[in-house]
Amino acid sequence: ELKVEQNPLFLSMQEGKNYTIYCNYSTTSDRLYWYRQDPGKSLESLFVLLSNGAVKQEGRLMASLDTKARLSTLHITAAVHDLSATYFCAVSFGNEKLTFGTGTRLTIIP
Amino acid sequence: EADIYQTPRYLVIGTGKKITLECSQTMGHDKMYWYQQDPGMELHLIHYSYGVNSTEKGDLSSESTVSRIRTEHFPLTLESARPSHTSQYLCASRRGGSYEQYFGPGTRLTVT
Repeated sequence: ELKVEQNPLFLSMQEGKNYTIYCNYSTTSDRLYWYRQDPGKSLESLFVLLSNGAVKQEGRLMASLDTKARLSTLHITAAVHDLSATYFCAVSFGNEKLTFGTGTRLTIIP
Repeated sequence: EADIYQTPRYLVIGTGKKITLECSQTMGHDKMYWYQQDPGMELHLIHYSYGVNSTEKGDLSSESTVSRIRTEHFPLTLESARPSHTSQYLCASRRGGSYEQYFGPGTRLTVT
């Protein structure tokens, strides 16, 4: 059974600081996704990582994938208030169904 | 921007009522999904479809049923709503061969 764990579950950080969210998964996966969800809203796709060593960046967010360690990271650089949201990672393997992590609720404090 | 729609967006209904949550997409995607999400929690796949007349149950057991008579339409039905069905329901779609999965705005269901 594929399990996906994120940590931390809750993160409160000051504007301007850097931080990293971790996503571990239990079995081999061929795709890893990062999504953002604002309160009461749907999911917004941030990144899709397809291979070992993949790195993608968009603005202050950068995601990386280490398939050997079964680990993905979402790095936040110089956080701003607009980044406050819940971030989910999700993985899939072969059958194309996504298994989601528990989510990380990020709050950026001015 | 993804063209995937869900109605209603919010629904408050009494126990025992039959309800249908609508999901439609105009992108011609063959793969469609229903997820259930309790507030602040992870999403759980409850149904999916790989094409017309194809439906499968997801990882989380659900008393709901789905149908896929047309490519663009994937409704979810609860024959007899219960308070335990209170949750947010998110529909998603994806084109075969593509990695991107697009989510609809969700339906927030409250059963009293």
